[in-house]
Amino acid sequence: TQLLEQSPQFLSIQEGENLTVYCNSSSVFSSLQWYRQEPGEGPVLLVTVVTGGEVKKLKRLTFQFGDARKDSSLHITAAQPGDTGLYLCAGPTSGSARQLTFGSGTQLTVLP
Amino acid sequence: NAGVMQNPRHLVRRRGQEARLRCSPMKGHSHVYWYRQLPEEGLKFMVYLQKENIIDESGMPKERFSAEFPKEGPSILRIQQVVRGDSAAYFCASSPLRRQDNSPLHFGNGTRLTVT
Repeated sequence: TQLLEQSPQFLSIQEGENLTVYCNSSSVFSSLQWYRQEPGEGPVLLVTVVTGGEVKKLKRLTFQFGDARKDSSLHITAAQPGDTGLYLCAGPTSGSARQLTFGSGTQLTVLP
Repeated sequence: NAGVMQNPRHLVRRRGQEARLRCSPMKGHSHVYWYRQLPEEGLKFMVYLQKENIIDESGMPKERFSAEFPKEGPSILRIQQVVRGDSAAYFCASSPLRRQDNSPLHFGNGTRLTVT
């Protein structure tokens, strides 16, 4: 069974600080996606990483896919209160491109 | 709003009642996926449907749960004889074609089911 473990589970920081959250697995994934979910809403896709070692930037967010395609990280520079939310990583379930396996998420709170 | 529409947003049912959750996919999308999210957890796949076909229901509990996506109208997730453990947020997502590994899922805002 593929599992995606995210850490930390909860993170509370002050506005302006930097942070990194992690998504790890013992399984290889062909790709990983990062979603952000705000209270009362559905997850919204932020990025998809496909190639081992790939780095993608989305404004203040930097996403990295591990060389072995078993892990990924999300780094946020100068966090803002608007970054508050649940960050979920997800990858295609082995044997089924129809399903996504989700991690349990990192709940980020950025205090003003 | 051309996004995935789910209703109701909140649903309260007593134990033993039936819950019906509706999902209208994005315009032009013919594939629908249902996921369940328990508090402080990630999403768990339940079922994948095309119009009039269930393609993959490997994540669906064997009893009390059913799903359909008729030729006309929204997709319906039906839970019979609800129990407290069914309390969760149920999310629907859609895609235009059979989902490939890298294609995004467009999620609705979910239905929050509370069983009292």
